[in-house]
Amino acid sequence: DAGVIQSPRHEVTEMGQEVTLRCKPISGHNSLFWYRQTMMRGLELLIYFNNNVPIDDSGMPEDRFSAKMPNASFSTLKIQPSEPRDSAVYFCASSLGTSWETQYFGPGTRLLVL
Amino acid sequence: GESVGLHLPTLSVQEGDNSIINCAYSNSASDYFIWYKQESGKGPQFIIDIRSNMDKRQGQRVTVLLNKTVKHLSLQIAATQPGDSAVYFCAENPTGNQFYFGTGTSLTVIP
Repeated sequence: DAGVIQSPRHEVTEMGQEVTLRCKPISGHNSLFWYRQTMMRGLELLIYFNNNVPIDDSGMPEDRFSAKMPNASFSTLKIQPSEPRDSAVYFCASSLGTSWETQYFGPGTRLLVL
Repeated sequence: GESVGLHLPTLSVQEGDNSIINCAYSNSASDYFIWYKQESGKGPQFIIDIRSNMDKRQGQRVTVLLNKTVKHLSLQIAATQPGDSAVYFCAENPTGNQFYFGTGTSLTVIP
């Protein structure tokens, strides 16, 4: 298995633009997590899905952020409009159930908003 | 708000020595903790976890100690190897599926 796949790996955009991050979880995993990591705040859980249904989105910072999981093999995290403070590394992770021990992270998308 | 912090932001050890990385957590209700390893340019990787009904748990070359009295967590790595060089951070689970993560300690192993 290729592991969790994220795209793009790097994204540079201007303030106000829409940004879409993509994730393909490990085949067979039914839970998917989106995280954001910054030097100041560390890793933060934004939202997670179980069986394609959003279970907890309390970590989503504001209405500019939205996440979808239209099927078991694909999820998106969208920021519209983007702001410089959104600059961070965004990780997607998947697991079988909500087992933290079996949660595998993708390589991350490094986002820079100018 | 909740906070999870690390006492030492950087740590350098000689290859073969033992490493100890510390973490302080803030919520006494937290009952589950995880240590992660993150290598440069990669996502975090689960190392070991511990529940609050335990004070020690051992894995392969790693041991996690939990002191609930002072809300302190430590990760011990035995016979540290160059491949152990990474950022290590802890996470606490105060409720449900919400986790709070520390910012990390950078471990450098000197050959």
